[in-house]
Amino acid sequence: DARVTQTPRHKVTEMGQEVTMRCQPILGHNTVFWYRQTMMQGLELLAYFRNRAPLDDSGMPKDRFSAEMPDATLATLKIQPSEPRDSAVYFCASGLVLAGATDTQYFGPGTRLTVL
Amino acid sequence: AQSVTQLDSHVSVSEGTPVLLRCNYSSSYSPSLFWYVQHPNKGLQLLLKYTSAATLVKGINGFEAEFKKSETSFHLTKPSAHMSDAAEYFCVVSDQKGSQGNLIFGKGTKLSVKP
Repeated sequence: DARVTQTPRHKVTEMGQEVTMRCQPILGHNTVFWYRQTMMQGLELLAYFRNRAPLDDSGMPKDRFSAEMPDATLATLKIQPSEPRDSAVYFCASGLVLAGATDTQYFGPGTRLTVL
Repeated sequence: AQSVTQLDSHVSVSEGTPVLLRCNYSSSYSPSLFWYVQHPNKGLQLLLKYTSAATLVKGINGFEAEFKKSETSFHLTKPSAHMSDAAEYFCVVSDQKGSQGNLIFGKGTKLSVKP
């Protein structure tokens, strides 16, 4: 049963520290999404990749957040330096998007980040 | 621009009674529509999706939704609630013409099920 995996599942860190979250998309999916979920803002799209190329990262604070896909099996989201307001659950999702067709996004279990 | 509005932030039902979670969408073309469910401390799971085939879509766990273009609605229903249905439900519409693969999420409806 193919699924999206994310590590770590939980992360507690201090303000100013670097945080790296990792995601392994489902094999064969060509699109990877990063979301952030908070009680106040709900689910927000941060960035997404198609065939490993970044398509849109307009939802991401550029000064401290960065997202990459070093290869087809790994996507990373990095926060440097982290701030308490970054505390949230970060979800990765993957999907197969073909021309003119939106397919289902499959979500990972999330990384719960707490910045003290 | 595409958008979805979930009309209730919280719905409470008794076990064994019907469930109705309401969703209205706005789209300038024929959209793809989805319902996702999120159980506490879990990721989002697809319940069902509509992609311009049959207007009545059946999903997992006994849920179904009906696409009504005239009402721009995509309400989620289940004939009989189970305690395990307690979760948050998101109505979702595809962005633009779907070519980008983006989804627009509603704010969510929290479903409580009383014994």
